[in-house]
Amino acid sequence: EAQLMESGGGLVQPGGSLRLSCEASGFSFTNYEMDWVRQAPGKGLEWVADIGSTGTTIYYADSVKGRFTISRDNAKNSLFLQLNSLRPEDTGVYYCTRYASGTLRPFDIWGLGTLVIVSS
Amino acid sequence: DMQMTQSPSTLSASLGDRVTITCRASQRVGVWLAWYQQKPGKAPKLLIYQTSSLENGVPPRFSGSGSGTEFTLTINNLQPDDFATYYCQQYNSLWTFGQGTRVEI
Repeated sequence: EAQLMESGGGLVQPGGSLRLSCEASGFSFTNYEMDWVRQAPGKGLEWVADIGSTGTTIYYADSVKGRFTISRDNAKNSLFLQLNSLRPEDTGVYYCTRYASGTLRPFDIWGLGTLVIVSS
Repeated sequence: DMQMTQSPSTLSASLGDRVTITCRASQRVGVWLAWYQQKPGKAPKLLIYQTSSLENGVPPRFSGSGSGTEFTLTINNLQPDDFATYYCQQYNSLWTFGQGTRVEI
């Protein structure tokens, strides 16, 4: 069974940094683009970043460009999101998800999410 | 920037009802439109992709239609498990979600 498990969330002060991780299991990680999607408390879903299967193609939402960095380690079936210069509006649950671009099915598997709180 | 607008924001319905949610894109997205269901405290779940293709395991009472800039999600014979928030998403140009539609009793 395909599964994603995020970790690394927590409480951080404005201007601080955090590194989120996502461990994949039950599927061939190297065959998929991977994404991060976040959700502020009581709000809707916001796409954050995407990385191609080999890590060479990367996209960011304008709201995080220059502050967040997405990366992956295919040998360890892991996806990462480095969050720098954090702002209170970055608070929310961060989900790891996969994009089955070969089958044209977006975001078919999601992790449970990890909560990031940016507050002083 | 691409914007996705869902209507209504909240929908009150009863068991057995047929409900329709509309999603409008600010630019044409072809058929690259998906729908997700999310329940409180849970991750979203893919229901429909490529406008009208049902994800594996999703009941056939869910259906999607549309093209270009206007799309709909229809739920026939509303069941207790269907009370949730629904999001549309375009994936023609990066990825953009609508603001969500809450289906409540």
